[in-house]
Amino acid sequence: GIQVEQSPPDLILQEGANSTLRCNFSDSVNNLQWFHQNPWGQLINLFYIPSGTKQNGRLSATTVATERYSLLYISSSQTTDSGVYFCAVVASKTSYDKVIFGPGTSLSVIP
Amino acid sequence: NAGVMQNPRHLVRRRGQEARLRCSPMKGHSHVYWYRQLPEEGLKFMVYLQKENIIDESGMPKERFSAEFPKEGPSILRIQQVVRGDSAAYFCASSPNSRDTGELFFGEGSRLTVL
Repeated sequence: GIQVEQSPPDLILQEGANSTLRCNFSDSVNNLQWFHQNPWGQLINLFYIPSGTKQNGRLSATTVATERYSLLYISSSQTTDSGVYFCAVVASKTSYDKVIFGPGTSLSVIP
Repeated sequence: NAGVMQNPRHLVRRRGQEARLRCSPMKGHSHVYWYRQLPEEGLKFMVYLQKENIIDESGMPKERFSAEFPKEGPSILRIQQVVRGDSAAYFCASSPNSRDTGELFFGEGSRLTVL
């Protein structure tokens, strides 16, 4: 089945810094999403981005489907950005939707 | 438009008891997924259901675990004879219909503690 990797596994940032999180996948995908799991465990949709670039405030994401990766950019980080960031994909070569998660990037933003 | 609703939010069971977790998808969504998250770990796929059908249960343990999504009512994840290793957060997600518009939306999870 499709493999999903995320890097870095852990990241510590000073408040106000920028960061780039990466998601690599081993096969072509139909869907790709980025989620933020906050310290209370809630999973929050950030982007639905099977291809192209999207922006939402301080966050933006780019997926280059042909090269099998996606990037999540966080600018001017805030302590509320802390938590775990997951990417999740649906492989193209399956006959049904099976959404597979990467292992996540754990982000800590310190004041 | 209400989001994905899961209940109970917290459930405590003693070893050997049964746990039933319920998930009501978003209105108009016919696809339901269950994931398990152990402490400090990522989300592991368990089962994917459409109304009255189990599409993929490859992530479900072969014994004690079952899932259903009936024509009427919520999806149910059932764990029989719970053991301490079943303690985890169980997340349900729903999506609209086809793979091309299959954006997932998650509930807030059900946290099972087995004593």
